[in-house]
Amino acid sequence: EDKVVQSPLSLVVHEGDTVTLNCSYEVTNFRSLLWYKQEKKAPTFLFMLTSSGIEKKSGRLSSILDKKELFSILNITATQTGDSAVYLCAYSGGSNYKLTFGKGTLLTVNP
Amino acid sequence: SAVISQKPSRDICQRGTSLTIQCQVDSQVTMMFWYRQQPGQSLTLIATANQGSEATYESGFVIDKFPISRPNLTFSTLTVSNMSPEDSSIYLCCLAGVSTDTQYFGPGTRLTVL
Repeated sequence: EDKVVQSPLSLVVHEGDTVTLNCSYEVTNFRSLLWYKQEKKAPTFLFMLTSSGIEKKSGRLSSILDKKELFSILNITATQTGDSAVYLCAYSGGSNYKLTFGKGTLLTVNP
Repeated sequence: SAVISQKPSRDICQRGTSLTIQCQVDSQVTMMFWYRQQPGQSLTLIATANQGSEATYESGFVIDKFPISRPNLTFSTLTVSNMSPEDSSIYLCCLAGVSTDTQYFGPGTRLTVL
């Protein structure tokens, strides 16, 4: 069965710290891997990764995919309290564009 | 990017009743989806809303329980029928961007069933 595993499940850091969130996947028909930030109800799109080794960057956030080892990481540098959220990893595969999500990492950034 | 709105934002309903959730997009989109997030769980796809035809449901979800309409390329509804407390969840409509794999979520509807 296809699946997505995120680690750690939760993380508490202080403002200014750098964090690395992990996502591993086992899929039979991989197309892309996506990262979302969920603060209240709606997940907000962060990155979509399709190729290994190409870093995507947006401000203090960056992400990279390793298709050989079947994992992705999301890095956040100089964390701020506004980064506190659940970070979700999902893969897209198959013919119906369904996203399959991991359980998420709850990040808490304390002042 | 498209602006997505959902109504209602939240609701508290009685067991056995039904609730219809609306999703409106400010531009035409090809693919729209409905997801559910139960408390403490991650997101699960309910169905793909197809314009002008019946929705395509994922395993474990059926049309009688979650009827979906999509009369045009900017609007869809999801009905949660004969509700039970297990239906308490966040329901999210979602649309596909230029790359169909990139999906954007609406603001969500938080449903509590008593």
